[in-house]
Amino acid sequence: AQKVTQAQTEISVVEKEDVTLDCVYETRDTTYYLFWYKQPPSGELVFLIRRNSFDEQNEISGRYSWNFQKSTSSFNFTITASQVVDSAVYFCALSELWSGYSTLTFGKGTMLLVSP
Amino acid sequence: DGGITQSPKYLFRKEGQNVTLSCEQNLNHDAMYWYRQDPGQGLRLIYYSQIVNDFQKGDIAEGYSVSREKKESFPLTVTSAQKNPTAFYLCASSIKGFQGTGELFFGEGSRLTVL
Repeated sequence: AQKVTQAQTEISVVEKEDVTLDCVYETRDTTYYLFWYKQPPSGELVFLIRRNSFDEQNEISGRYSWNFQKSTSSFNFTITASQVVDSAVYFCALSELWSGYSTLTFGKGTMLLVSP
Repeated sequence: DGGITQSPKYLFRKEGQNVTLSCEQNLNHDAMYWYRQDPGQGLRLIYYSQIVNDFQKGDIAEGYSVSREKKESFPLTVTSAQKNPTAFYLCASSIKGFQGTGELFFGEGSRLTVL
């Protein structure tokens, strides 16, 4: 079974639309970290956010917001008023205590295409 | 500026040849990683190293080899035993284990094409 599931393979929106990228995870630990990374066409993964399992507060950073719900094992990412520059592949990832936080397990990614 | 440098950015190889991808970091991180990315497959872990002269296999280590002789360097060799080596390879580093959170810092990647 996948530990990190991003069910949306590809999403297409028109500029200024809001879009939510889903991430569902599975872990036996009570202490873990969740991440979102952005991969633009250039290829390098860019860190967006890290969330500790004990901190369920939602986070907002400009047009980006994250909704962490332990009850449903989800860590969803919303882009408000999307822009063409948001076009990229977005990865959700999990780091677990049992592994000593030694590796990240990634979802398969969601490709977001924002058209003008 | 601190960061991770991968080279070459693009590489072409004939079947049956070994090829080595370079990864250097100046972030003073103990841990380094190699991931492979294929379309629709996400990132899959090849090898990782938590300390100099030690490394562990990831999920898809067959056909690959690594070395960690220096803290700053973690080269990956794609051997002729790797049946489907055409892919995008990403190197990353992090603060080791419980001292960190698992957050990875990535290089720009190397795209390998087998002709």
